[in-house]
Amino acid sequence: AQSVTQLDSQVPVFEEAPVELRCNYSSSVSVYLFWYVQYPNQGLQLLLKYLSGSTLVKGINGFEAEFNKSQTSFHLRKPSVHISDTAEYFCAVSDYQAGTALIFGKGTTLSVSS
Amino acid sequence: DGGITQSPKYLFRKEGQNVTLSCEQNLNHDAMYWYRQDPGQGLRLIYYSQIVNDFQKGDIAEGYSVSREKKESFPLTVTSAQKNPTAFYLCASSPLRQINTEAFFGQGTRLTVV
Repeated sequence: AQSVTQLDSQVPVFEEAPVELRCNYSSSVSVYLFWYVQYPNQGLQLLLKYLSGSTLVKGINGFEAEFNKSQTSFHLRKPSVHISDTAEYFCAVSDYQAGTALIFGKGTTLSVSS
Repeated sequence: DGGITQSPKYLFRKEGQNVTLSCEQNLNHDAMYWYRQDPGQGLRLIYYSQIVNDFQKGDIAEGYSVSREKKESFPLTVTSAQKNPTAFYLCASSPLRQINTEAFFGQGTRLTVV
């Protein structure tokens, strides 16, 4: 069975500082990996995804993530955060079979202050 | 615009009542999903459907029921058997292609038991 662990439930940072949100997964098969962002009382929006190819994936809003197969990790990074990045971030995994539901981590709340 | 529409945005239920949450998509996606979100718990899968007139239980299906009579629609009924229904409910969909891709989410329905 697949599972996702987001190592930090809350990450407070100051504006313009770099940030890393950590995600580890476990799976007995090859997987696809995703990061989503959720603003209060809204649905989830895709930030980026890793399907294959380059292990460094660039997404929207200046975020990027690196797939590390040996460490089963998919950490999300941004070199300089803004107040508007304050939100909840979810890491998710799925296997290759089309239509398989995504398995989500418990989320990391990013709080950016000035 | 294509997307997923969940209604209502807020729903109040008295104990012992059944309520139905609506989810409609015009993305021509075959697969649809219902997730439940509780603070600190991430998203947990309730039911999913890959084709009309067929659906499968997710991790927390007890106390819920679904139907998939049309490709565009996947309503979720929260029955009186669900002992703790207060939560944020998210509907999602994805295409069935050769490889799995990301899920697209609606804006959610917040259900409160009063």
